[in-house]
Amino acid sequence: QAVVTQEPSLTVSPGGTVTLTCGSSTGAVTSDHFPYWFQQKPGQVPRTLIYDTSNRHSWTPARFSGSLLGGKAALTLSGAQPDDEADYYCLLSCSGARVFGGGTKLTVL
Amino acid sequence: EVQLVESGGGLVQPGGSLRLSCAASGFTFSDHFMDWVRQAPGKGLEWVGRTKNKAYNYITEYAASVKGRFTISRDDSKNSVYLHMNSLKIEDTAVYYCAMIRGVMGYWGQGTLVTVSS
Repeated sequence: QAVVTQEPSLTVSPGGTVTLTCGSSTGAVTSDHFPYWFQQKPGQVPRTLIYDTSNRHSWTPARFSGSLLGGKAALTLSGAQPDDEADYYCLLSCSGARVFGGGTKLTVL
Repeated sequence: EVQLVESGGGLVQPGGSLRLSCAASGFTFSDHFMDWVRQAPGKGLEWVGRTKNKAYNYITEYAASVKGRFTISRDDSKNSVYLHMNSLKIEDTAVYYCAMIRGVMGYWGQGTLVTVSS
């Protein structure tokens, strides 16, 4: 089973831009991994932000965008707000199974 | 409005069994794949497994950590999906979420807590 890696923690200034990445131990992440991104705030249920690499859900703010970058899936937050402080998880489809990354704790400070 | 409501969690001894249920509403349940995801206290999300729909012969897929111990089933007539958990271990202690994560569908239930302890 693949291991999916994310930055354990990142910090961004209010109004700033930050990119979170999601890599796979089996090689480059492609659209065939159908990357998803989720946001989870303390005590809350995860919320789906991005599906199939770069598609936003109807409830996803436009400041979040998904892409493939340097062999990884990426989530870019442009114009960070204090409310964006949360844990972010990616999910990849890998050979008949799905694997979450370990999550990135994003601090807006 | 899409709703996923889990039930069946509780305290169980190591080696025991438990069945979780997830009742779905607000969409055509039979059309969709359904996932189970868990989260141990203070830890990250872990994908447990999923069931595909009738068009895909109800194929099920599992994480290596639960394969052979957990089974996912569904009853389209009841708009429900189930997680049958056997040979439970202390490390299976977690909140278990029912979720619909495929394409534009990105919905989660509120979760149900399973505690494995003697």
